[in-house]
Amino acid sequence: EIVLTQSPTTTAASPGEKVTITCLASSSVSNMYWYQQKSGASPKLLIYSTSSLASGVPDRFSGSGSGTSYSLTINTMEAEDAATYYCQQWSSNPPTFGSGTKLEIK
Amino acid sequence: EVQILETGGGLVKPGGSLRLSCATSGFNFNDYFMHWVRQAPGNGLEWVAEVRNKNNNYATYYAASVKGRFTISRDDSKSSVYLQVSSLRAEDTAIYYCTREEQLSYYFDYWGQGVMVTVSS
Repeated sequence: EIVLTQSPTTTAASPGEKVTITCLASSSVSNMYWYQQKSGASPKLLIYSTSSLASGVPDRFSGSGSGTSYSLTINTMEAEDAATYYCQQWSSNPPTFGSGTKLEIK
Repeated sequence: EVQILETGGGLVKPGGSLRLSCATSGFNFNDYFMHWVRQAPGNGLEWVAEVRNKNNNYATYYAASVKGRFTISRDDSKSSVYLQVSSLRAEDTAIYYCTREEQLSYYFDYWGQGVMVTVSS
């Protein structure tokens, strides 16, 4: 199965700061998906097909990448963005998730 | 409004069984594949099982870690999906989320709030 490695594991950002989370795949994948999970809540779809924003997601979020390297960027950090972020692939079975990046507000 | 609600979790002894239920509303259930994804305490997300729709012959798929012990099914008349979990082990302790996939979109666009399954003696 494809292993997804996220970095950093934990990070903190000040309001207005730019944040980038990276997801490296053990084999090439055609697309990456990103989810946000706030404390005590279920995951929420943020990005699909590498760079498309899910409905209702603010445009300060963006996704990019190809092959084995993908990233999620928050252009200007807001307090409500504090959460754990997961990448997910399904280019091969089974679908797998990264281990998560915890983003805190400074 | 899309709604997904899981029930049926609880405390069960190793080797025991439970049936998790997931009731949905607010969308055409027949158009979607349904999945269970779990999250062990303090850990990340693990895909567990998938059931496809009638047009795809209700095909089912499982993670290697649960194959032969878990059974996923759906009842289109009730817009519901189920997960029969058996021969439970301590490592099955997790929050189990029910989630949907628009046919062959390869991602999960709506999730339920989850139900806790604790396996302990």
